[in-house]
Amino acid sequence: GQNIDQPTEMTATEGAIVQINCTYQTSGFNGLFWYQQHAGEAPTFLSYNVLDGLEEKGRFSSFLSRSKGYSYLLLKELQMKDSASYLCAVASYNTDKLIFGTGTRLQVFP
Amino acid sequence: DAGVIQSPRHEVTEMGQEVTLRCKPISGHNSLFWYRQTMMRGLELLIYFNNNVPIDDSGMPEDRFSAKMPNASFSTLKIQPSEPRDSAVYFCASSPGLQIANTGELFFGEGSRLTVL
Repeated sequence: GQNIDQPTEMTATEGAIVQINCTYQTSGFNGLFWYQQHAGEAPTFLSYNVLDGLEEKGRFSSFLSRSKGYSYLLLKELQMKDSASYLCAVASYNTDKLIFGTGTRLQVFP
Repeated sequence: DAGVIQSPRHEVTEMGQEVTLRCKPISGHNSLFWYRQTMMRGLELLIYFNNNVPIDDSGMPEDRFSAKMPNASFSTLKIQPSEPRDSAVYFCASSPGLQIANTGELFFGEGSRLTVL
């Protein structure tokens, strides 16, 4: 089976940096995804890691350590529009299944 | 290009009634997924299809739930009879290829918000 853990809620201030952690346990790991979901909307893809290390994409970066079953999403120069839920998801080898964590709701304050 | 299209966007029904949710995936996408999202349990995978064939339905809660994909451009998720605990947002998503890890992402529809009274 699979188990994905991430904090339920986080708060941060506009302009700051925030790190959202995700730990996972799975058999046949084949990639970790981060999705963003604004309230009342569909999840949208942010990033994908399959190898260890940091992937940077503008203000957002995602890190993966496969040996530790650990990932984080780093958001820099926070903006009010970054207030959303951030979902960590794990792909299993040789299937199309993407299993999601329960998400971290981030609130950005002025 | 149109995204994943779901209908209805909102449905309110009474316990015991049949509910049918519909999804049109992105043209050319080979895999289709049905997810259910609640505050308590987050986003749960119910079933997914590849080339119109159900591959894994282990997430379907019970026999009251059924899903079909009669062709590459249409899928339904049916609940019969519906119960209040089925109240949730049901998302349909599609992806281009056989292995999601190679293609990189799922494309979600806007969801169908179901309330069962």
